[in-house]
Amino acid sequence: DAGITQSPRHKVTETGTPVTLRCHQTENHRYMYWYRQDPGHGLRLIHYSYGVKDTDKGEVSDGYSVSRSKTEDFLLTLESATSSQTSVYFCAIRETGTHYEQYFGPGTRLTVT
Amino acid sequence: ILNVEQSPQSLHVQEGDSTNFTCSFPSSNFYALHWYRWETAKSPEALFVMTLNGDEKKKGRISATLNTKEGYSYLYIKGSQPEDSATYLCASNSGNTPLVFGKGTRLSVIA
Repeated sequence: DAGITQSPRHKVTETGTPVTLRCHQTENHRYMYWYRQDPGHGLRLIHYSYGVKDTDKGEVSDGYSVSRSKTEDFLLTLESATSSQTSVYFCAIRETGTHYEQYFGPGTRLTVT
Repeated sequence: ILNVEQSPQSLHVQEGDSTNFTCSFPSSNFYALHWYRWETAKSPEALFVMTLNGDEKKKGRISATLNTKEGYSYLYIKGSQPEDSATYLCASNSGNTPLVFGKGTRLSVIA
């Protein structure tokens, strides 16, 4: 499972509240990613990180921010949650080496009411 | 943003049938093509990574081919079983950029 955990696994929150999702990895991978899964859209990249304090935006970054203060943790924050951010969020890491396989965490189901 | 297309969107086959799906991606500045298997309520599971034109990979009854010149990859499943029911995702990137995923092909295998 590439040593990836996500917390919380499920969360229900109200519109307008801040929410932080955590992705934790144990194998010192440099690259980490946050995706969201929505019906009809597959997986879409929100933000990614290529090292401590190095992050960049993905396809659907509006309304989200990220931080990576240490290699093992990549945090995704919804500053003011909206109903359109109800989704399943997956964290992923990219292995180093010739093929750069990407492995996913178990996912966090977020519901914004 | 790189555009990755998958077809068909969904597929229903009988147990024992063989089937295949298509993934199309831009051939310019191609770096790698990934296939994933994604079961409901689970996280995507890596199947194959291919980088060279003509690459063929196989894992059990599942195999994949890659044509980087024309920008497509095929995933084949031989003798489909109910446990093969899942969404199959492909993803591609150019250079050292993040993967871009297609929307997937949802396979249902009817016993």
